Amino acid sequence: DVKVTQSSRYLVKRTGEKVFLECVQDMDHENMFWYRQDPGLGLRLIYFSYDVKMKEKGDIPEGYSVSREKKERFSLILESASTNQTSMYLCASSLARIPPYEQYFGPGTRLTVT
Amino acid sequence: GQNIDQPTEMTATEGAIVQINCTYQTSGFNGLFWYQQHAGEAPTFLSYNVLDGLEEKGRFSSFLSRSKGYSYLLLKELQMKDSASYLCAVRDTGGGTYKYIFGTGTRLKVLA
Repeated sequence: DVKVTQSSRYLVKRTGEKVFLECVQDMDHENMFWYRQDPGLGLRLIYFSYDVKMKEKGDIPEGYSVSREKKERFSLILESASTNQTSMYLCASSLARIPPYEQYFGPGTRLTVT
Repeated sequence: GQNIDQPTEMTATEGAIVQINCTYQTSGFNGLFWYQQHAGEAPTFLSYNVLDGLEEKGRFSSFLSRSKGYSYLLLKELQMKDSASYLCAVRDTGGGTYKYIFGTGTRLKVLA
């Protein structure tokens, strides 16, 4: 079974703090993704990565950065947390070359910025 | 532009059949996915369509018409545990890269 784990289920941070969210997958997937999920807005893509040290901006990258130094690990960084970044953050991974390319999601991190 | 539309909420009775529709507009297309998400949990993969037609998997079926930009998820013999949100997503290959575009989800309530 594919397993995607995230470093925290719940996190509370103060405005202006630097926040690290970590994601690890154990199935040698090439692709990894970070989403945020807000009521009424659905899943929105922040960043994704095809391979180690590769990254691509998604639809809402402002205020975020990512790091992928190892294939199994994809980190999301909030450089200076703001209250509008309070959200559920979901990490996902998928294969790149073998269909159906479905994404496997981690359990999510509910981040509150006060 | 890129857009995926699905109804916000649906209600059905245990044992019934429900169809959740999804329409999409994307710059490229390499597959349509349905995910199930129970409250407070992560989405889990249900189905994948890349060619036109119906894919059946137990009580769940998914249909795709690429020319119409349309898909539906059909749930038969509804059970209480099917109460969840159902997310439609497209693997968009426009712009030389690919990414997954999600709809906002359809919250399904199954009543006894």
